[in-house]
Amino acid sequence: DTAVSQTPKYLVTQMGNDKSIKCEQNLGHDTMYWYKQDSKKFLKIMFSYNNKELIINETVPNRFSPKSPDKAHLNLHINSLELGDSAVYFCASSQVGVGQQETQYFGPGTRLLVL
Amino acid sequence: AQKITQTQPGMFVQEKEAVTLDCTYDTSDQSYGLFWYKQPSSGEMIFLIYQGSYDEQNATEGRYSLNFQKARKSTNLVISASQLGDSAMYFCAMRDDDYKLSFGAGTTVTVRA
Repeated sequence: DTAVSQTPKYLVTQMGNDKSIKCEQNLGHDTMYWYKQDSKKFLKIMFSYNNKELIINETVPNRFSPKSPDKAHLNLHINSLELGDSAVYFCASSQVGVGQQETQYFGPGTRLLVL
Repeated sequence: AQKITQTQPGMFVQEKEAVTLDCTYDTSDQSYGLFWYKQPSSGEMIFLIYQGSYDEQNATEGRYSLNFQKARKSTNLVISASQLGDSAMYFCAMRDDDYKLSFGAGTTVTVRA
């Protein structure tokens, strides 16, 4: 009964490879997000989708491409991986609303290590 | 630009005592939401407590409470009766009008037996 799930949990790959991370939420939320947590634990928003529409696109290299096939899924594809992409990537979801309804719930994270 | 400041990189607290984690924010928005998350060593992000900018009362959730001072733009988290399981990193975050969450740098809490 996991609310927000991500696969894989760990991803070790070589520089230059292309990889994808998948995210699914069963909370019925209409908005999903990708965050990156760097080695200093700093968390920063990358993208957000609302009902399959991209609404937030921060300054992220265009090697990163999100895709939302439906409002319960948000995937992240990364092309030509670089050493600096090593981080923990979190998916989150929320319901756009008022008050605590807008709380974002996070997945367990995907630990990406680029060698 | 939104900014969240957590000035305490790390704190130690004795088991069963209370600890206060500081958080100040900077925004020109009238409507915003403030959140605290816990990240234990296992890595997941756990939502703890929420305070809305229009809420007049301080939020409380079990052993967690907020000291929300809107004029000072601060929302400090108080953890009462600390337990060993409270040892973790704690993040303050703010939701702005664009529904983005901006996070502080975090505070590591270590509870001593």
